[in-house]
Amino acid sequence: KAGVTQTPRYLIKTRGQQVTLSCSPISGHRSVSWYQQTPGQGLQFLFEYFSETQRNKGNFPGRFSGRQFSNSRSEMNVSTLELGDSALYLCASSPRGGNTGELFFGEGSRLTVL
Amino acid sequence: GQQVMQIPQYQHVQEGEDFTTYCNSSTTLSNIQWYKQRPGGHPVFLIQLVKSGEVKKQKRLTFQFGEAKKNSSLHITATQTTDVGTYFCAGPRDYGGATNKLIFGTGTLLAVQP
Repeated sequence: KAGVTQTPRYLIKTRGQQVTLSCSPISGHRSVSWYQQTPGQGLQFLFEYFSETQRNKGNFPGRFSGRQFSNSRSEMNVSTLELGDSALYLCASSPRGGNTGELFFGEGSRLTVL
Repeated sequence: GQQVMQIPQYQHVQEGEDFTTYCNSSTTLSNIQWYKQRPGGHPVFLIQLVKSGEVKKQKRLTFQFGEAKKNSSLHITATQTTDVGTYFCAGPRDYGGATNKLIFGTGTLLAVQP
């Protein structure tokens, strides 16, 4: 069974640009969550999607947005990039919504903003 | 706001020594999960504890959930070089909430010298 796939794995952007990151969950998993990981702030929750609906949102500015498609694949977008957005963005899937246990993380998309 | 702290931040041990990391939440948790992240890798689920005072073992790893469900610990007996990584605890942001919105602890980085 394939794991969670995130693309791209690495990317470099400049301030003011926007970026779109993609996540394909494990087959059959309907819940997708996004986390930002930085050395200073650690792992912070961005959003959770289930059946194309955003169930929860973390404390991030409106520049951070996401969506989920009917096939459970998810994308997140960051507009007007700032230096502080440099981070590892991790996607995690689980079979269904709710804190039912294990989150399966992808390898992440490492974003560098110059 | 809700916070989850871990101590120590960093621990360096000789191979064969024991290791313990402690996790403390500012609020009661309905359950707690533990993840391991190898250097350059992504978080990998280790275990979930649900009941007050619960103790679970996985080979050399022992996990405990406090009676008040506000703290937890992970103990590794006779560390090996394969144990190297950062250990995170995580709990749902809202007690009893049906969400995969986890708040992660600050993490403990374990280094093992052969």
